[in-house]
Amino acid sequence: DQQVKQNSPSLSVQEGRISILNCDYTNSMFDYFLWYKKYPAEGPTFLISISSIKDKNEDGRFTVFLNKSAKHLSLHIVPSQPGDSAVYFCAASAYYDMRFGAGTRLTVKP
Amino acid sequence: DAGVTQSPTHLIKTRGQQVTLRCSPKSGHDTVSWYQQALGQGPQFIFQYYEEEERQRGNFPDRFSGHQFPNYSSELNVNALLLGDSALYLCASSHHFSPLHFGNGTRLTVT
Repeated sequence: DQQVKQNSPSLSVQEGRISILNCDYTNSMFDYFLWYKKYPAEGPTFLISISSIKDKNEDGRFTVFLNKSAKHLSLHIVPSQPGDSAVYFCAASAYYDMRFGAGTRLTVKP
Repeated sequence: DAGVTQSPTHLIKTRGQQVTLRCSPKSGHDTVSWYQQALGQGPQFIFQYYEEEERQRGNFPDRFSGHQFPNYSSELNVNALLLGDSALYLCASSHHFSPLHFGNGTRLTVT
């Protein structure tokens, strides 16, 4: 059951521009949302999160937006850097259960 | 401060065999979750252990079982291996509702 969906398998942007990664979810019980970043041969690392009581959370170059009515969240990276090239996973949790999307491979070109 | 450590890093097994994967959580973490990541997919939740008990379980058959020890480390056991069990198995630890910290995973190949 795909409760968390990332419909774009890949995204390519130019260095310095904005990267926007999208995620949709179906379970209205989810109340906490996260983005993880994964490099090859490493486990996912936590990037940023947002609670369902908020609609925006910023951390440096990274901003996550949550639209509960649309069951949609997005991650904005501004400005994008070549080191941001990785696979990004969206995750949503309810109580002790966390579900992940299939990931979006971001490539930032110099 | 050691993060989440998993062993072994790679494993090759034959269909029908049994396998045990191990995980040591990050210092200060008391909860361990296991995920299966097939090629091209996101991590799929297998189960979570807290206070040595399975607290929540995903949609995986009973062939997948686990254990948590008093020192919070954990094992994932898979019986009667199928070719479709070939995947990266990720262990993640947390404390209360903190974000999950993942290990680098164990790559299991079933032939």
